[in-house]
Amino acid sequence: AQSVAQPEDQVNVAEGNPLTVKCTYSVSGNPYLFWYVQYPNRGLQFLLKYITGDNLVKGSYGFEAEFNKSQTSFHLKKPSALVSDSALYFCAVRDYNAGNMLTFGGGTRLMVKP
Amino acid sequence: NAGVMQNPRHLVRRRGQEARLRCSPMKGHSHVYWYRQLPEEGLKFMVYLQKENIIDESGMPKERFSAEFPKEGPSILRIQQVVRGDSAAYFCASSEDRVESPLHFGNGTRLTVT
Repeated sequence: AQSVAQPEDQVNVAEGNPLTVKCTYSVSGNPYLFWYVQYPNRGLQFLLKYITGDNLVKGSYGFEAEFNKSQTSFHLKKPSALVSDSALYFCAVRDYNAGNMLTFGGGTRLMVKP
Repeated sequence: NAGVMQNPRHLVRRRGQEARLRCSPMKGHSHVYWYRQLPEEGLKFMVYLQKENIIDESGMPKERFSAEFPKEGPSILRIQQVVRGDSAAYFCASSEDRVESPLHFGNGTRLTVT
């Protein structure tokens, strides 16, 4: 079975500071990893994914994420946070050997203060 | 290329009535997924369908809930005899037939049971 953990319910950061949203995963095979963002009353928007290759992947709106196989982590990062980045962020995993179903973490609310 | 279209956006039903939620996937996508989200919570997988087939319904309650994705037309999530606990946001997502393909989400249907 595959699972995702987002250990922080909320992350607070000041505008202009770097941000990190943590994610760890568990799969039996090779993971495909995804980050999504959700704004109020909207669906989830795809930010970035890791399939294979470079451990550092770059995505939309200046976000990036680092895949760490030994720590089974896929933390989301951004060098300089914006107030408009405030939203709910979800990490998700798909097991290469388990078909197409995507399993989501519980979400982390990011609050960026001016 | 239109995104995933869900309707209605808001649906109010009295206890005991039926709720029908519709989802039209993105053009070219043959996989449809339904997720449920309670306020301030993560997404819970319900069912995964391909055209005319249910691939995985492990997250869907055995009673009162059903889903279909016919050869023609949208995917339908049907909830019979709704109860207050069914009140939630229901999100549909679609993807291409590739395991590395991200899911693309609609804006959801917010069901309120009075």
